[in-house]
Amino acid sequence: EVQLVESGGSLVQPGGSLRLSCAGSGFTFSSLWMHWVRQAPGKGPVWVSRINSDGTSTSYADSVKGRFTISRDDAKNTLYLQMNSLRAEDTGVYYCARGTAGYSDSWYDYWGPGTLVTVSS
Amino acid sequence: DIVMTQSPDSLAVSLGERATFNCKSSQTVLYSSNNKNYLAWYQQKPGQPPKLLIYWASTRESGVPDRFSGSGSGTDFTLTINNLQAEDVAVYYCQQYYRFPPAFGGGTKVEIK
Repeated sequence: EVQLVESGGSLVQPGGSLRLSCAGSGFTFSSLWMHWVRQAPGKGPVWVSRINSDGTSTSYADSVKGRFTISRDDAKNTLYLQMNSLRAEDTGVYYCARGTAGYSDSWYDYWGPGTLVTVSS
Repeated sequence: DIVMTQSPDSLAVSLGERATFNCKSSQTVLYSSNNKNYLAWYQQKPGQPPKLLIYWASTRESGVPDRFSGSGSGTDFTLTINNLQAEDVAVYYCQQYYRFPPAFGGGTKVEIK
């Protein structure tokens, strides 16, 4: 059974940092693009970042470029999102999502349950 | 960037009836080389992550009931739910993956009348 489980979300002050993790199981983690998608309360999902199967190619939404860093450890089947210089508008539920083999951008067939990040003083 | 616009924002449908709602992209998401529309639909229930229903605009994900169907091409797309069931109450999102960055619509909330 494919599973993705995020962790690391919490309340943080503006300007602070947080590192999210996403543990994958039930599939060949190292073979797929992986993505982070976030959702502010009452809003639609917004794509945040992606990383290719071997970690050599990463991309970011303009809103987080220069502040967030995506990475992966395939030995641990884990995806990360390092978030620095956090702003109030970064508040939301952060999901890791599985992409599709062969496509840098695709539909997301599995999502984790999400982890809540709240940026507030 | 491609902007995805969904309509209506919400609709109420009687049990057993049909629900139809739309998604419009600001640019085509049809790739002429393979004649595929790079468009997916998701269902999201409260407190849950989005669940993939349809990709390539009309291909149903494994395990999704056949009362869900997707149609459309280019910039205009429709998700139809036939024989609406109580468990279909949710917010539905479309997503384009044709051009970077991938983008979601604002959602359509489906309720029971």
